[in-house]
Amino acid sequence: AQTVTQSQPEMSVQEAETVTLSCTYDTSENNYYLFWYKQPPSRQMILVIRQEAYKQQNATENRFSVNFQKAAKSFSLKISDSQLGDTAMYFCAFMKFTSGTYKYIFGTGTRLKVLA
Amino acid sequence: SAVISQKPSRDICQRGTSLTIQCQVDSQVTMMFWYRQQPGQSLTLIATANQGSEATYESGFVIDKFPISRPNLTFSTLTVSNMSPEDSSIYLCSVAQGARYGYTFGSGTRLTVV
Repeated sequence: AQTVTQSQPEMSVQEAETVTLSCTYDTSENNYYLFWYKQPPSRQMILVIRQEAYKQQNATENRFSVNFQKAAKSFSLKISDSQLGDTAMYFCAFMKFTSGTYKYIFGTGTRLKVLA
Repeated sequence: SAVISQKPSRDICQRGTSLTIQCQVDSQVTMMFWYRQQPGQSLTLIATANQGSEATYESGFVIDKFPISRPNLTFSTLTVSNMSPEDSSIYLCSVAQGARYGYTFGSGTRLTVV
């Protein structure tokens, strides 16, 4: 069975600095997708960044980038130039297509606080 | 990507009563998903709802407790029945946008059972 582990329950970072959130997963699949979602206090789940497992190049979206290590089953999120609006829960998610539908498995989340 | 309108955004309910949560999508989607997020926890899939067929429930969730309707390709409801304080959670609906785009989520319903 697939599992997703986020080993950092809480983290904090000074505004304008860089922070890295860790995520590891366990799967025997070869084709899958990985995502980072942000959930601010408004509860809305917002897609931050995605990575296809077959792509070696790390995904980047503005200040957000990932370090995808397929062999190590690691998928960390780096936030550069942190902003107060980045304060939120961050969830790592593993997705695969199975039995005619997409199935997500979420990690337990990392609560990030950006300090002024 | 799809836009999902979910309501109510929050409610406080008496134990033993039921609450129905609605999700409206601005485009037709084949599958809709219902999640529960208990306080301080991650998201747990309750069920997958296809239009015109019975919902598929995950282990630990049953239709009598969480009946789901999916009358058309843009709408679904989740009912939390015979509520107890343990049902206090955030409930989210979502739709799959394909592997490339992942899921889009509704804004969630914060349910408190007293």
